[in-house]
Amino acid sequence: GAVVSQHPSWVICKSGTSVKIECRSLDFQATTMFWYRQFPKQSLMLMATSNEGSKATYEQGVEKDKFLINHASLTLSTLTVTSAHPEDSSFYICSAREPGQSNQPQHFGDGTRLSIL
Amino acid sequence: AQSVTQLDSHVSVSEGTPVLLRCNYSSSYSPSLFWYVQHPNKGLQLLLKYTSAATLVKGINGFEAEFKKSETSFHLTKPSAHMSDAAEYFCVVSANTGTASKLTFGTGTRLQVTL
Repeated sequence: GAVVSQHPSWVICKSGTSVKIECRSLDFQATTMFWYRQFPKQSLMLMATSNEGSKATYEQGVEKDKFLINHASLTLSTLTVTSAHPEDSSFYICSAREPGQSNQPQHFGDGTRLSIL
Repeated sequence: AQSVTQLDSHVSVSEGTPVLLRCNYSSSYSPSLFWYVQHPNKGLQLLLKYTSAATLVKGINGFEAEFKKSETSFHLTKPSAHMSDAAEYFCVVSANTGTASKLTFGTGTRLQVTL
């Protein structure tokens, strides 16, 4: 089945650091990928839709200058948390859907636990 | 617009007894519905999906769900719980509005399985 790989799985860094998270579709090409944020014991909140070769579409309330998304190829999207602060600590999850499959499920990565000290 | 309501935030069952996790949805479009499971510090794994074919959907690990349009429900069931089923379960709806169709998640149900 379709596999989405996310890296790193865990990051601890100092306040003010920028952190990059990678999301790769391993056995399919994904023109669209999605980035979610999950707070403890809560559901997933969509942050942005990443579009290959074009700008990401951000959800209301998500700072596009804080959360930079790049989708430079059909198999890789990156999320960079710029100048991270403790309030950015969270669990970040990406997903991807196979092209032309709008009613099919998204495939999720294993998530990245980000802890800002 | 679409929304999902998971009626129970926490369900506890004994091993070997049936599991019922309830989900109601609303959608302006013909929806696709999914159940995902999440184990601690992990991403989401698809259990099953409904995409306008058969209303009774069978998934992995013995789970199944029935799409009932008249009740706008998509409850998840399993005849006999196993300890390994303990996890967080999310009911998810997607409006079929194109390749970038967004998912709307329920708030999740934590399933506890006791001996």
